[in-house]
Amino acid sequence: ELKVEQNPLFLSMQEGKNYTIYCNYSTTSDRLYWYRQDPGKSLESLFVLLSNGAVKQEGRLMASLDTKARLSTLHITAAVHDLSATYFCAVDIRGGKLIFGQGTELSVKP
Amino acid sequence: GAGVSQSPRYKVAKRGQDVALRCDPISGHVSLFWYQQALGQGPEFLTYFQNEAQLDKSGLPSDRFFAERPEGSVSTLKIQRTQQEDSAVYLCASSLALSQETQYFGPGTRLLVL
Repeated sequence: ELKVEQNPLFLSMQEGKNYTIYCNYSTTSDRLYWYRQDPGKSLESLFVLLSNGAVKQEGRLMASLDTKARLSTLHITAAVHDLSATYFCAVDIRGGKLIFGQGTELSVKP
Repeated sequence: GAGVSQSPRYKVAKRGQDVALRCDPISGHVSLFWYQQALGQGPEFLTYFQNEAQLDKSGLPSDRFFAERPEGSVSTLKIQRTQQEDSAVYLCASSLALSQETQYFGPGTRLLVL
């Protein structure tokens, strides 16, 4: 059975600090997504990673994919309060069927 | 342009009641997906359609759950004889094609079964 595991599940950061969220998955996949969810809101697409070694950056967030290690990372640089949200990785296992991780709840404090 | 819309946004049902949840995908999007999100968890796949064809319903938790997309656009997720464990947020997503496309999510319907 495919498992997608994120860690940490909860992350409290100070503004200005850097941190990384990890996403491990248990089967082969060549497509991985990162989504953001604010409390009571739906999911907002952040990144789609399509190949081994793919790296994408948007603002203070950078995502990477290592398909051989079955690992994706979401790196946060110089965190700001606006980044407080829950972040999900999701693996495409078959033509669009996404399996999500448990989510990482990020809280950025002044 | 308009995103994915869902209605109702909130639904309170008495146990045993039937409910119908509606999803309007982004215009022109071929693929449509339903997910169930329990409190504090990630979304879990329920079913997906390509146009009007339901290609995978492996995630539907029981035969009380039924989804349709008769004309290849709007979709309805129906839950019969609701039970308390059905309480969750039901998310709909659409994408331009079945694969290699980002799924865009609607705001969800929050279902509470009493």
